[in-house]
Amino acid sequence: EAGVAQSPRYKIIEKRQSVAFWCNPISGHATLYWYQQILGQGPKLLIQFQNNGVVDDSQLPKDRFSAERLKGVDSTLKIQPAKLEDSAVYLCASSPDGLYNEQFFGPGTRLTVL
Amino acid sequence: GQSLEQPSEVTAVEGAIVQINCTYQTSGFYGLSWYQQHDGGAPTFLSYNALDGLEETGRFSSFLSRSDSYGYLLLQELQMKDSASYFCAVLRSNDYKLSFGAGTTVTVRA
Repeated sequence: EAGVAQSPRYKIIEKRQSVAFWCNPISGHATLYWYQQILGQGPKLLIQFQNNGVVDDSQLPKDRFSAERLKGVDSTLKIQPAKLEDSAVYLCASSPDGLYNEQFFGPGTRLTVL
Repeated sequence: GQSLEQPSEVTAVEGAIVQINCTYQTSGFYGLSWYQQHDGGAPTFLSYNALDGLEETGRFSSFLSRSDSYGYLLLQELQMKDSASYFCAVLRSNDYKLSFGAGTTVTVRA
């Protein structure tokens, strides 16, 4: 089966600009996650969707970050405006309904904010 | 809140055995997962323990002691391709969120 797809793979922007990331999860996976991974750290959950509803967004900086999951399939994560500290890899993951311990990760988008 | 502790780095030679320990503090513990991440790659699932004891999957084994809030990942017959970062992650029972440790970088030398 096809894995989790993400685009773009790399993005370089100036601070205060906006950026958007796209994720296509594994077909049939009900749960979709966005993680932020800063260099040398473990992934940190930003937002979790169950189908097209938000389950948890307690760690999402809502003043600048937003996310949506269209029709319970694809998802986009947006940052507006970006700050230097947003430089990180943004990972999308998905899992079948009820299988939260085994998540399938995409290759990530490496964001550099200058 | 929750916290996970694991060593930052481990170096070993090919063919050796490496044990990566993980201690955790969390409310509502459900289970402990382990993920492998090669440099520049995506994390990939290795194993999961919800009950005490040892789970074996090929050269990799994972152990959990719920009473000690402790687990470990055992890498046997190390190969060069095992050079990667390994993360323990706690699955919480109250919200089914996975919280990752900072990771252990394993370097395998010839």
